[in-house]
Amino acid sequence: DAGVIQSPRHEVTEMGQEVTLRCKPISGHDYLFWYRQTMMRGLELLIYFNNNVPIDDSGMPEDRFSAKMPNASFSTLKIQPSEPRDSAVYFCASSFLFGGTEAFFGQGTRLTVV
Amino acid sequence: QQQVKQSPQSLIVQKGGISIINCAYENTAFDYFPWYQQFPGKGPALLIAIRPDVSEKKEGRFTISFNKSAKQFSLHIMDSQPGDSATYFCAASISGGAQKLVFGQGTRLTINP
Repeated sequence: DAGVIQSPRHEVTEMGQEVTLRCKPISGHDYLFWYRQTMMRGLELLIYFNNNVPIDDSGMPEDRFSAKMPNASFSTLKIQPSEPRDSAVYFCASSFLFGGTEAFFGQGTRLTVV
Repeated sequence: QQQVKQSPQSLIVQKGGISIINCAYENTAFDYFPWYQQFPGKGPALLIAIRPDVSEKKEGRFTISFNKSAKQFSLHIMDSQPGDSATYFCAASISGGAQKLVFGQGTRLTINP
């Protein structure tokens, strides 16, 4: 398996634009997580899904952020409209339901909002 | 109460030395404590993990020490090597697994040759 695949690796966008980050979890994994990493706040869990259903979105910072998982092999994190303070590295991770003690992270998307 | 506090923020160790990173938590419901290692440009990867029913776990040069009464745990890297230079994150969860991990702020470790 190629691991968790995220795209794009880098995204530069102007303030006010819509940004969509994409994630393909490891095949067979039941959980999918979206994290944000910044120098100030470290790694924060934004939202996670179990079997494509959002379980906890309490980490989503504002209504400008939304996430979907239309099927077991694809998820998106959308920011609309984007703001400079959204600049961060966004990670997607996945894990098994049973015995799932390891979250496997993708390589991340570095988002810069100018 | 959901926080995990990690120290130091950065650490420089000579090759062959022992690297020690500490974490403290408040929530006694945490029941799973992993350490993740992150290299520049990569996502974090699980290094080693412990549950509160044991006080120590060792895997190769990496050891977790866990003090339940003090609500503290630490990572020890023996015989530190330049290839160990990375950012290390402690984490905790109440799910017994990877769900809803709460991460520490991270420690940037540099091993000088």
